[in-house]
Amino acid sequence: SQTIHQWPATLVQPVGSPLSLECTVEGTSNPNLYWYRQAAGRGLQLLFYSVGIGQISSEVPQNLSASRPQDRQFILSSKKLLLSDSGFYLCAWLDGLQRGPLHFGNGTRLTVT
Amino acid sequence: KNEVEQSPQNLTAQEGEFITINCSYSVGISALHWLQQHPGGGIVSLFMLSSGKKKHGRLIATINIQEKHSSLHITASHPRDSAVYICAVRSVDSNYQLIWGAGTKLIIKP
Repeated sequence: SQTIHQWPATLVQPVGSPLSLECTVEGTSNPNLYWYRQAAGRGLQLLFYSVGIGQISSEVPQNLSASRPQDRQFILSSKKLLLSDSGFYLCAWLDGLQRGPLHFGNGTRLTVT
Repeated sequence: KNEVEQSPQNLTAQEGEFITINCSYSVGISALHWLQQHPGGGIVSLFMLSSGKKKHGRLIATINIQEKHSSLHITASHPRDSAVYICAVRSVDSNYQLIWGAGTKLIIKP
């Protein structure tokens, strides 16, 4: 069966510290991978998507970056966190041939202090 | 005007009521998704539709491609159905991106 793992579940980091959130997918190959952010009480904002290894598209200019070192691994990073980076980060995947539903990880609640 | 509009924005109902949440879109689509987000934050996919109607338990989703409209219905609503329901569409112009509705916050009172 297909599953998606996202960690950590919660994270408290000081301003200026680095960030690394990891997402891995099992049970499928060549998925489309997504990183979303959701501010409190708001809708989903697409940050990055990837259609293959090393292929990253950025939707919103910011101090975050993403990488896809392996087919089923998607990493969200920052060199120096800002207060405004606080939020709920969700990883998602969609079958590479656009079949089937969208699958979400459980999310990471990031608080930058 | 947003490309995907959901209504209502908020909905409060009594347990047992029949619930309808609407989603209208203005772009050509290859598929429409209905998702559920519980207060804890996790998002679960409920339906993916490209035509017609789908049913799962007490949930029913319909789509009218000509009218560019989809509805999510909940029969015999229960407090555990309280969540945010989100509509998202895959545009035919973009193979990879989803266009998201703002969500409908549903509260079912016992």
